[in-house]
Amino acid sequence: GESVGLHLPTLSVQEGDNSIINCAYSNSASDYFIWYKQESGKGPQFIIDIRSNMDKRQGQRVTVLLNKTVKHLSLQIAATQPGDSAVYFCAESPRTDKLIFGTGTRLQVFP
Amino acid sequence: DTGVSQDPRHKITKRGQNVTFRCDPISEHNRLYWYRQTLGQGPEFLTYFQNEAQLEKSRLLSDRFSAERPKGSFSTLEIQRTEQGDSAMYLCASSLLLSGANVLTFGAGSRLTVL
Repeated sequence: GESVGLHLPTLSVQEGDNSIINCAYSNSASDYFIWYKQESGKGPQFIIDIRSNMDKRQGQRVTVLLNKTVKHLSLQIAATQPGDSAVYFCAESPRTDKLIFGTGTRLQVFP
Repeated sequence: DTGVSQDPRHKITKRGQNVTFRCDPISEHNRLYWYRQTLGQGPEFLTYFQNEAQLEKSRLLSDRFSAERPKGSFSTLEIQRTEQGDSAMYLCASSLLLSGANVLTFGAGSRLTVL
């Protein structure tokens, strides 16, 4: 299948450790944010979203933090597993119409 | 419903030929999006529809590109007179816009290679 993100920033973690993936967004008017995971040869898969009236949201093993002051978004993955290996994209939306994607971060999980 | 379907998955064509991609969204979704993704990059927005109305087009969508969603269900993206720079993965997504949330569900993509 197609390899996604050959030259992306890479985060390498050991299985069982926590992972933190960071993202800086550009538009102060953005009020909706979303994280996607993309495996090689597949389309992006939804992980978690957050609206600008929140600063934290938790899902199953994942937490998204939003800091609007510095326009920063992070994705925390607890107890990282080999199946979490993928490229992760943050996306922002100023009016809940289209999503604008960032460059992405490759997460590599080692046993 | 099996999610968003795209066809074909792979297309190899010669420069100057026309190509058409089809997207079948999730049936209850009212919005449909087209994105383009090249190696090492995030998806780039091309255009989106709400029902059959095309609401926004990116300036990336040159006059060689046209997208339609004639009955508010499936959509087609046509590229005329393809160029090597058109080689990319073309992703379709659909969503059901809710108050304050717009989770796009993506298809697996149609990969275009222009020789």
